[in-house]
Amino acid sequence: QLQVQESGPGLVKPSETLSLTCTVSGGSIGSSTYYWGWIRQPPGKGLEWIGSIYYSGTTYYNPSLKGRVTMSVDTSENQFSLKLSSVTAADTAVYYCAVSPDWYFDLWGRGTLITVSS
Amino acid sequence: EIVMTQSPATLSVSPGERATLSCRASQSVSTNVAWYQQKPGQAPRLLIYDASTRATGIPARFSGRGSGTEFTLTISSLQSEDFAVYYCQQYVNWPLIYTFGQGTKLEIK
Repeated sequence: QLQVQESGPGLVKPSETLSLTCTVSGGSIGSSTYYWGWIRQPPGKGLEWIGSIYYSGTTYYNPSLKGRVTMSVDTSENQFSLKLSSVTAADTAVYYCAVSPDWYFDLWGRGTLITVSS
Repeated sequence: EIVMTQSPATLSVSPGERATLSCRASQSVSTNVAWYQQKPGQAPRLLIYDASTRATGIPARFSGRGSGTEFTLTISSLQSEDFAVYYCQQYVNWPLIYTFGQGTKLEIK
């Protein structure tokens, strides 16, 4: 059964780069069946799509994040990752990784809270 | 960017009754709409995709309909576990920005 799980630092200082990893189990990240995505949710607020990546490395980013996003795939570790640079308090959120058989999100990780604070 | 507007923000319904949630797109998204349920402290769960197709394991009391700019999610007979926040999402491929509605909180009346 396909599962995904986020991991990350929990606390990031302003102006630094947030780095998160999503580990895929029960299936291969190299499968052409899926896209792999990141979504975030600030405390008490709604959902925001950050970006998605295909197994080939093709990426799709939300332009609202103004070029601060980088996503990559590591097929040897069966993981994909997110880097968000120049973070501010506005980037404090629960970050979810998710699986997309199309462009909706079929399976979600539990989420990890990232707090931006000095 | 396509804006998804959900209404109402909060819906109060008694168990056993029907609930209808609405989602409007700022431009046509064909049937490229998904619905999610989120309970406190949990990740969202996919309910409906392609506007009207139930995801695996979703009970038949959940149904979606619509096309173009107007979409609805109906829960035919509310169970206690259905009280949650519901989000719609559009996923047209141009412009390639996938957006969510702001959510409708379904609460017990």
